[in-house]
Amino acid sequence: DSGVTQTPKHLITATGQRVTLRCSPRSGDLSVYWYQQSLDQGLQFLIQYYNGEERAKGNILERFSAQQFPDLHSELNLSSLELGDSALYFCASSVSSGTSGRNEQFFGPGTRLTVL
Amino acid sequence: AQTVTQSQPEMSVQEAETVTLSCTYDTSESDYYLFWYKQPPSRQMILVIRQEAYKQQNATENRFSVNFQKAAKSFSLKISDSQLGDAAMYFCAYRSPALITGNQFYFGTGTSLTVIP
Repeated sequence: DSGVTQTPKHLITATGQRVTLRCSPRSGDLSVYWYQQSLDQGLQFLIQYYNGEERAKGNILERFSAQQFPDLHSELNLSSLELGDSALYFCASSVSSGTSGRNEQFFGPGTRLTVL
Repeated sequence: AQTVTQSQPEMSVQEAETVTLSCTYDTSESDYYLFWYKQPPSRQMILVIRQEAYKQQNATENRFSVNFQKAAKSFSLKISDSQLGDAAMYFCAYRSPALITGNQFYFGTGTSLTVIP
């Protein structure tokens, strides 16, 4: 168990709909990252938040948005869903420090989104 | 931006043998972190091993070890005494120092490892 939780585990919805994916980082981790992984594909970085503020943006569509709340949990909102948005969405957290120590990302179990 | 390249989309190894997965990266930074993650069929991302760029000694975790060549910007993963449970997708990752890029991570495209009984 990485300590990162994601809900829901599975989500099935229809095209054109909107969904919200939720992530709670490990205790003490200030950075949250969102990734998209389509079937048999690598990890596509979507967006990163640090202590409530957007820190970096990757290949995130305009239909997608995210935020990190004061309690550090994060939500990824996907709207006007298309068939191609079906994927596994990972949240990861890390300690945001350049000093020594554990600097890896800890991944949640992912949310599997199916758009029909 | 930093790039991470895994040139072997697929690899296979006989059970109990040794296999090496390759990873190269491009960076102008001198201090950074490198990781290997494993993704088994369950799709959970699991950290295998980490390496700090300022450390010359190669990291080792049980049957997993790395060959870190900083000048060549190479970071290969060696799996010794391969087991059936090692079958997975392996991702190489690079992390920038926090003060420069907000500790953004960059992932390679992955290497799918098959272990043959």
